[in-house]
Amino acid sequence: GENVEQHPSTLSVQEGDSAVIKCTYSDSASNYFPWYKQELGKGPQLIIDIRSNVGEKKDQRIAVTLNKTAKHFSLHITETQPEDSAVYFCAARVDSGSARQLTFGSGTQLTVLP
Amino acid sequence: DGGITQSPKYLFRKEGQNVTLSCEQNLNHDAMYWYRQDPGQGLRLIYYSQIVNDFQKGDIAEGYSVSREKKESFPLTVTSAQKNPTAFYLCATAGTSYNSPLHFGNGTRLTVT
Repeated sequence: GENVEQHPSTLSVQEGDSAVIKCTYSDSASNYFPWYKQELGKGPQLIIDIRSNVGEKKDQRIAVTLNKTAKHFSLHITETQPEDSAVYFCAARVDSGSARQLTFGSGTQLTVLP
Repeated sequence: DGGITQSPKYLFRKEGQNVTLSCEQNLNHDAMYWYRQDPGQGLRLIYYSQIVNDFQKGDIAEGYSVSREKKESFPLTVTSAQKNPTAFYLCATAGTSYNSPLHFGNGTRLTVT
């Protein structure tokens, strides 16, 4: 089955700096890659996703890049703010029929220092 | 999480007791999922259901059971056979369309002593 590795497990940045979180996946058939943000005591929330027919997607200060050849994708957060502090999860999925289960990375605790 | 309600938020049980976690949704989503979250291990799939009266085991189903008698409800029972039940449990839903993302509830933290 699919295996997703996520790095780093913890990341501290100064407010205003950029943060980058990287994930690799094993199943070359995976074609959907979402990123979730989880604040303390809450469930994860989808912040951005990308499908395998595009290489990059942006939404304001957040961007995701995908390299299908190397089987890795990354989350980029620019101009970080204290409210960006949270745990971020990447995930991968093969969209085939009814088998639409996500495999998650182990998470990155991002701390934005004021 | 406006459409997914997990209750209670915190749950305490003695070892050897079964306990049922509630998940209710008003998003009219067909698919529902249960995940377990442990520190440093991401989210692992316990059970999922694509339609009423049908469900499948996920990666770590041993010691858990579910039912899906109504579209809106997908309760998870943690049985005494689950060796390490203390964890954060997350319920999620998704629509059936190709682009439908996964929506999560706010979780139930179960502590078994």
